[in-house]
Amino acid sequence: QKEVEQNSGPLSVPEGAIASLNCTYSDRGSQSFFWYRQYSGKSPELIMFIYSNGDKEDGRFTAQLNKASQYVSLLIRDSQPSDSATYLCAVNEAGSARQLTFGSGTQLTVLP
Amino acid sequence: GAVVSQHPSWVICKSGTSVKIECRSLDFQATTMFWYRQFPKQSLMLMATSNEGSKATYEQGVEKDKFLINHASLTLSTLTVTSAHPEDSSFYICSAMGQERTQYFGPGTRLLVL
Repeated sequence: QKEVEQNSGPLSVPEGAIASLNCTYSDRGSQSFFWYRQYSGKSPELIMFIYSNGDKEDGRFTAQLNKASQYVSLLIRDSQPSDSATYLCAVNEAGSARQLTFGSGTQLTVLP
Repeated sequence: GAVVSQHPSWVICKSGTSVKIECRSLDFQATTMFWYRQFPKQSLMLMATSNEGSKATYEQGVEKDKFLINHASLTLSTLTVTSAHPEDSSFYICSAMGQERTQYFGPGTRLLVL
């Protein structure tokens, strides 16, 4: 069973701090990795994707990928209360040309 | 860019009726769209993969005769919940695959079957 695992949280950080969200995946052949944000009662929205080992930065968000450790993370700098949401990690696995496997999500609360 | 719309955003219907949900990619063509269902406090559950011009591929446990999917064009996929029952009440979300295998989600449709 191919899996994508995330700590369900809740994760609480104070406003202005760095929030670190982690995700591990079981399929070593996975190729593409995505982070989505889902506010309560809303559908997921794409934050960023990463394909290559290392860091990818976009504004306050940094995705980090380590394929050897089968680990992908999302850092949110200068966290704001508006960042409070559930963050979903998704992986495009080898042999699955189109489908994504989603983690169960990490609930983040940024405290003002 | 990469905007996906869904219609309706919410629907309430009586048990036994059929409900049709539309998913449109507004500014890009999507040969592949996906339909998900999400129950409260739970993660997304993939129901089926919708391919333009061919039959949908359903996930295990999803009844293809109950959840009819039609992907008639590169910008439109529809999900019809036939003979809906209260247990079908859920949040239905579609996504369309854009470039680099990125999935963009529609805003979702809340279905309540009385």
